[in-house]
Amino acid sequence: DVKVTQSSRYLVKRTGEKVFLECVQDMDHENMFWYRQDPGLGLRLIYFSYDVKMKEKGDIPEGYSVSREKKERFSLILESASTNQTSMYLCASSLSRVNYGYTFGSGTRLTVV
Amino acid sequence: QQQVKQSPQSLIVQKGGISIINCAYENTAFDYFPWYQQFPGKGPALLIAIRPDVSEKKEGRFTISFNKSAKQFSLHIMDSQPGDSATYFCAASMRTGGSYIPTFGRGTSLIVHP
Repeated sequence: DVKVTQSSRYLVKRTGEKVFLECVQDMDHENMFWYRQDPGLGLRLIYFSYDVKMKEKGDIPEGYSVSREKKERFSLILESASTNQTSMYLCASSLSRVNYGYTFGSGTRLTVV
Repeated sequence: QQQVKQSPQSLIVQKGGISIINCAYENTAFDYFPWYQQFPGKGPALLIAIRPDVSEKKEGRFTISFNKSAKQFSLHIMDSQPGDSATYFCAASMRTGGSYIPTFGRGTSLIVHP
């Protein structure tokens, strides 16, 4: 089974801190994604990457950046955390050449105080 | 603009009953329609999916019904069990550039009472 591992289950950070969320997948998937999940709003795409060093903005990229230096690792960066970035963050991966759906990680619940 | 509309937002069903969740989409270029199941504290997991060349797909107690002309699809959970209590997301995807990017519905919280 494909595994998508997010490094932290829970994080508490202070306003203004730089925050790194890490995601690693072990099945050689080309595509990786970052979503945030908020009650009543569903899953909203922040950024995605279809190749190493490539990135594309999703629906809500403001306040975030990403890094993909290796195929298996995709990092989400909050340059200066704010309280409105308190959320559940989900990483996902998929193959690019077939449309077979995503594999999600278990999520990181980030609280910004 | 919400491209995939999901309803209801929440659903309560008695054990043994049928749970039905509906989704409607707008873009006829979508060509893959998955459903994801998410338990508390976990990420969503792919449950079942359908492509527009068939009208129904069944896997155990879970069935997707697909109506291409109406641009609607639904998830039916037969003989619902308390262990089915979870949040369900529908999605629709199409090829965008070099990747398939899904658009998700906002989710349905299902509670199955014993």
